[in-house]
Formats: sequence, structure tokens, C-alpha cells
Amino acid sequence: AQSVTQLDSQVPVFEEAPVELRCNYSSSVSVYLFWYVQYPNQGLQLLLKYLSGSTLVKGINGFEAEFNKSQTSFHLRKPSVHISDTAEYFCAVSGAGGTSYGKLTFGQGTILTVHP
Amino acid sequence: DTAVSQTPKYLVTQMGNDKSIKCEQNLGHDTMYWYKQDSKKFLKIMFSYNNKELIINETVPNRFSPKSPDKAHLNLHINSLELGDSAVYFCASSQGMQAFEAFFGQGTRLTVV
Repeated sequence: AQSVTQLDSQVPVFEEAPVELRCNYSSSVSVYLFWYVQYPNQGLQLLLKYLSGSTLVKGINGFEAEFNKSQTSFHLRKPSVHISDTAEYFCAVSGAGGTSYGKLTFGQGTILTVHP
Repeated sequence: DTAVSQTPKYLVTQMGNDKSIKCEQNLGHDTMYWYKQDSKKFLKIMFSYNNKELIINETVPNRFSPKSPDKAHLNLHINSLELGDSAVYFCASSQGMQAFEAFFGQGTRLTVV
């Protein structure tokens, strides 16, 4: 079984400030990790993914995330946010094998609100 | 050009009714999914189909029946709707079963009254 915990349900920040959205996971097998973004009234869109290789992955819109296996974390960061980054962000994990292979398990989401 | 489209976007219905939600993808993917997002915002997988074959069937009441007439469509039929079925239902698709990059529809907000 696998699970995802997003530690903050809401994160308010000012424009051009840095932001970190935290995500921890648990799994009995190797994992693939993802961050999705959901803008108002839209479906989820993939921001970035970690499958293997470098633990620092870069995604769209200037976001990046670092896979930390020892801490079972996959925190999302952006050095300078814009108003347009206001959205809900979901961390997700998929098993790299076993019964969780091919299934995305999502966290509860973090609402990022960027203030002018 | 919408990649994954769901209809309807909103659905309000009475308890006991039967309703369907349609999903179509124009990405040429071979795998499609239904996810349920409950009131606490948890997204949970319900079903996945690969090449029209049911692959994942999580613990979902028998009242929920997915139908895949072809690789580009995965419809969700719900019988005898209950209050607890109220949620947002998302359709998604991916190439292959790994769900490395799933593309999601806008969601269907189902409200059972």
C-alpha cells in the first residue's frame, strides 16, 4: 500500500517570494513521484515527474522538486512565484512495481494563493 | 482542441436515479481511468481500462459500471445514486499502464440530492 501526505492544506505567499509545498509519501515498493496542478475549473495538469536518475527534477512554469529517498519526501519549490501560480497542487505517487503499478495515489492537495 | 473531455460538467440528480458520465480522449492513448475526488479533496482511482480491457477495479460498489466501447471512450454509469456518491469524478488517459503522465479531464461535479 502507498500513501501521500501533503503537510500544508493552504499556503499564502506574496508575489515574487519563494515557495515550498511539502509532500511526504510511504510505500513498500520503489516509486515514481509526480506533482500535478489544478487551476480553477480545469483538470489536473502534470507539473513534473521523477522516474529515476537525478533527484532534482525540473518542470513547467519554473517549478522544481527534489526526491529525498531517506526522508521519503518530494517537496515542490519555486524561487519566485507569480499571481498566475495561484492554484491547487497535488502530489502523487505510483508504484514502480507490484500491485500499485499503474495506480496514482494522490495527496489531499495544497492551495497556493499568491497575493500582489 | 480538448485532449480529455467529460460531459456533463455538472450533474444534479435525485437519490435513486441512474446517470452516466461520458469521457473521450483524442490523444491516441490506450489506457483510460476514472478517479473520484471526495469532499476532502482526496483523489482515488476507481477503474482503469487498457485497450478496452478492465485492468484496475478498486473497491467500488457494483452500482458503478464503466463501459469502454473503444480505446478513446470510457463512460461511467451509476445506478441507484446515493447521497454519498456526491463528488467530482475525473476521467484521465495515459499511454501504457504506467500512468507516467496521465492527462485529466475537467471533472464532473455530481450532486445527489
